[in-house]
Amino acid sequence: DTGVSQDPRHKITKRGQNVTFRCDPISEHNRLYWYRQTLGQGPEFLTYFQNEAQLEKSRLLSDRFSAERPKGSFSTLEIQRTEQGDSAMYLCASSRGWTGRNQETQYFGPGTRLLVL
Amino acid sequence: SQQGEEDPQALSIQEGENATMNCSYKTSINNLQWYRQNSGRGLVHLILIRSNEREKHSGRLRVTLDTSKKSSSLLITASRAADTASYFCATVREGTDKLIFGTGTRLQVFP
Repeated sequence: DTGVSQDPRHKITKRGQNVTFRCDPISEHNRLYWYRQTLGQGPEFLTYFQNEAQLEKSRLLSDRFSAERPKGSFSTLEIQRTEQGDSAMYLCASSRGWTGRNQETQYFGPGTRLLVL
Repeated sequence: SQQGEEDPQALSIQEGENATMNCSYKTSINNLQWYRQNSGRGLVHLILIRSNEREKHSGRLRVTLDTSKKSSSLLITASRAADTASYFCATVREGTDKLIFGTGTRLQVFP
């Protein structure tokens, strides 16, 4: 059973460039989540998918951010026209969702650390 | 924004001692979860406690939940140097699926 994987693990880019991150969830998980974590803080929710449908987006997700999960498997998170404030760790998680009233555990990937110069 | 606060922000203890971390939150929840994060790495799920549960154990971990006070505690018994990490609580509100994390407690266990 492989865990959640993310690629790349590190990305350095110049302000104004576009970047794209990929997340591969655990294979039988239908829910996929993106979070962002800045230094010294807890992760903050960005968006999540059930299969290919994007069900919720945080107001943190400005119009420069777009996430897709085209076939309900892997997901990509793109940031256009990066700004220095986008520097953070971008974390992906996956889960089976809910079983009745019980939420299944979200399993996190290792994250992609983005530095915008 | 963060759901709530964790206390203390940082904790330093010797190996073999117990470590207690507290988490307070603001809204009604379906469940509360604790995660561990080693420096610069991803999050590892430790334990989930549902809103109708008051206490849960997993190995050296003991979690309590007091929904009337909107608070939870994580106790790590007989700590080891390998327990050195940041610990986060995260809540899930009824009818939602997203985790809302606290600010974290940085635990340092000295050999």
